[in-house]
Amino acid sequence: ILNVEQSPQSLHVQEGDSTNFTCSFPSSNFYALHWYRWETAKSPEALFVMTLNGDEKKKGRISATLNTKEGYSYLYIKGSQPEDSATYLCAFGDYKLSFGAGTTVTVRA
Amino acid sequence: DTAVSQTPKYLVTQMGNDKSIKCEQNLGHDTMYWYKQDSKKFLKIMFSYNNKELIINETVPNRFSPKSPDKAHLNLHINSLELGDSAVYFCASSQVLGGQETQYFGPGTRLLVL
Repeated sequence: ILNVEQSPQSLHVQEGDSTNFTCSFPSSNFYALHWYRWETAKSPEALFVMTLNGDEKKKGRISATLNTKEGYSYLYIKGSQPEDSATYLCAFGDYKLSFGAGTTVTVRA
Repeated sequence: DTAVSQTPKYLVTQMGNDKSIKCEQNLGHDTMYWYKQDSKKFLKIMFSYNNKELIINETVPNRFSPKSPDKAHLNLHINSLELGDSAVYFCASSQVLGGQETQYFGPGTRLLVL
């Protein structure tokens, strides 16, 4: 199981503000980096799978970048809305994923 | 329409009992997983099956035994339950498409051992 770290552990954002947070992973033997969105009392839901250095993916107001050489990925939320409140997990690996502990985002109206 | 389903959703039981959690996926995926969400909220892989064959078996007490009767089902049986087994257990399934693999998670089973 590989060490995947996410920071910060939690953050509070005012509605309408933009925010971002980090996932760090081992830079050697990179295969894929996954981002999941996990709302309370629901299942983790896949957002992005990123495989190439310099990859940028976007889904609505949420986007992610990937730097495999230095071992980090950023997730950005533009113009945060209350429905963006969730825990965002990143996971590293092939079919055997190592998950970070998540960044819990709370958007205040 | 639930893609990955687990039963039961909640399970409260006494120490020493044997219990099973069932998982079914209707996505036609070849690979299924069991994860345990630990006390620090990490999702830790326990087992994975591909087409009914065990492919991942992490360091898990042998009181935990997965069983895959077909590729749409992966059940988890736990013998002699201990207090430390209390956790949320998630089932997932996945398929590789275009060289990329996405895992789809079930809703979780909240196990409490008293």
